[in-house]
Amino acid sequence: DQQVKQNSPSLSVQEGRISILNCDYTNSMFDYFLWYKKYPAEGPTFLISISSIKDKNEDGRFTVFLNKSAKHLSLHIVPSQPGDSAVYFCAASGNAGNMLTFGGGTRLMVKP
Amino acid sequence: DAGVIQSPRHEVTEMGQEVTLRCKPISGHNSLFWYRQTMMRGLELLIYFNNNVPIDDSGMPEDRFSAKMPNASFSTLKIQPSEPRDSAVYFCASHRGYSNQPQHFGDGTRLSIL
Repeated sequence: DQQVKQNSPSLSVQEGRISILNCDYTNSMFDYFLWYKKYPAEGPTFLISISSIKDKNEDGRFTVFLNKSAKHLSLHIVPSQPGDSAVYFCAASGNAGNMLTFGGGTRLMVKP
Repeated sequence: DAGVIQSPRHEVTEMGQEVTLRCKPISGHNSLFWYRQTMMRGLELLIYFNNNVPIDDSGMPEDRFSAKMPNASFSTLKIQPSEPRDSAVYFCASHRGYSNQPQHFGDGTRLSIL
């Protein structure tokens, strides 16, 4: 039973355009959501997060949107750069133990 | 500021051998997590420690897997005996212990069991 799903395994975007990565979850107890970026041969790197009391959080070129009623979150990258090419994981947490449940990842390719 | 440090980065060994993976969390972090990443199952949590105490080991696949955290700055994940299906990338992550804070990951150990 996958509680966090990223339905697009890959996404290709032209440099300078917007990248939109999507994530769906099923557990209504999740209240904290994160996006991680992963380059080959490295560990996941924290990118941006959002608490369930908000519906948007912005950090530079990265914005995360949360739609609680739809149990859906998305990551927008504007403008996309070739260095953004990586695998992006969404993750969710819903307990005081701070355990994370990860989606399967989306590979983003930004073409020059 | 040093991040999470894992060793070795790569390990190749024959099935049946004992494998020990090591992790040094970020200083001041009091929660530590071991994950395994495979193509089939993605990133899955194996075990989680809080203040050096194992809290949830429900993700540990079999009795062949064991993990310890003898102090706040060191943890090990041991597989004995190892099998080819244990081949994966193993990540360690640490966390401050406060709510709504991210986990920070090491660069992983790529394990190959022949």
